[in-house]
Order: sequence, then structure tokens, then C-alpha cells
Amino acid sequence: KAGVTQTPRYLIKTRGQQVTLSCSPISGHRSVSWYQQTPGQGLQFLFEYFSETQRNKGNFPGRFSGRQFSNSRSEMNVSTLELGDSALYLCASGEGATNEKLFFGSGTQLSVL
Amino acid sequence: AQSVTQLGSHVSVSEGALVLLRCNYSSSVPPYLFWYVQYPNQGLQLLLKYTTGATLVKGINGFEAEFKKSETSFHLTKPSAHMSDAAEYFCAVSDRGDKIIFGKGTRLHILP
Repeated sequence: KAGVTQTPRYLIKTRGQQVTLSCSPISGHRSVSWYQQTPGQGLQFLFEYFSETQRNKGNFPGRFSGRQFSNSRSEMNVSTLELGDSALYLCASGEGATNEKLFFGSGTQLSVL
Repeated sequence: AQSVTQLGSHVSVSEGALVLLRCNYSSSVPPYLFWYVQYPNQGLQLLLKYTTGATLVKGINGFEAEFKKSETSFHLTKPSAHMSDAAEYFCAVSDRGDKIIFGKGTRLHILP
């Protein structure tokens, strides 16, 4: 089985732009979670989708949004980028309805200049 | 709301010595608890998890953790450190739902 695929691997954007990140979960997994990872802050939960519905949301501003398609692939969008949005964005595919095991992609490294 | 506190952002141990990484959690319901490991330039991978049953959980690579409800702890241990154990370790908690909350991580350094 293929693992979790995140594209692109690296992105460089400037302040004010918007960006879309993509995540393809493991085949058969219906849950996708997104995290922002920064040095010293660990992983901060953004949101989680299950069967195209957002089940959970973290404490991020409305500039961060996501969606999940019928094939379970997910996208995350950040509008009006700020310097503080520079981070590694990780996507995780969940096994089971309660995410008893998460499988992570290698992430998208976003740099905002 | 659930939360996780990992004591020590950096821990150094000598090769062959005991590894102990500390994790305390907060949850309003019986939790699911996890340890994940992240190697450089990679995503996280599951080391072990506690959901129900035996409170001493064994994971991959010789690691184990014990769920102590009275102490709200889930510390990770390994009897003998190996150089390949150098990585960042994350403790995580779930309220048995679907949202997994991670701690800030502990970077483990192995001294030769």
C-alpha cells in the first residue's frame, strides 16, 4: 500500500499570497488530519476530516481552511499569508473511525517571505 | 479539553543507558494515549498506544510505556539506548474521539 502523499514538498510564498497544499491518504482511510509544526511549538492541530465532513477544528484563524473530496484526498488552503505561517504542514491519514493510528506524510515545508 | 505536557524539550542519555521521556496528560474522559517518533526530514510514526486493557504497553524498537491514571502520566522508557534512537518523540492524547492532540516534543540525544 502506498503511504500518505503530500504535495508539494517545499513552497516559497510572499506575504499576502495564498497557498493550497494537497494530501492523499492511504487507500481505504477516510480520515485526514492536518497539523502545523514549528520549532518549539510541536504539532498544533488544524482540522480533521472524515468522509468529506469536518469533524474537528483547532484554534486557528479563518484564513486556514480545508476540504476533503469523495476519494478522501484533502486540501488545505491558507489565504493572506503571514510570516508566522512559515512551518512544516503535516497531513495524517487515520486508521479507524477514532484514529487509533495515524500515518503521517513527510509534510510540506512552507516558507513565507 | 485534552492536553499533553512533555517534561524536557531535550534529553541526553549515554548509549546503553536507560531512556525515560516524561509525559503527563489532561483529559475529562478515559483517554487514548500515544507516543510517536519523528526522524529528521520525515513524518511521525507510531511507537505505541494505550487504548484499553493492560496499562503497560510495549511498542516497536524496544520501547514501552505505562499508563498511570492516578498520576495522569504515560512515560516512555527503553532499558538500553542505541544511537539509532536519536530522534524527536511526541506524546499525544485523544478523548477517544477523533482529535489527536500532541505535546511539544522531546528531542532525544544519545551520547557515545
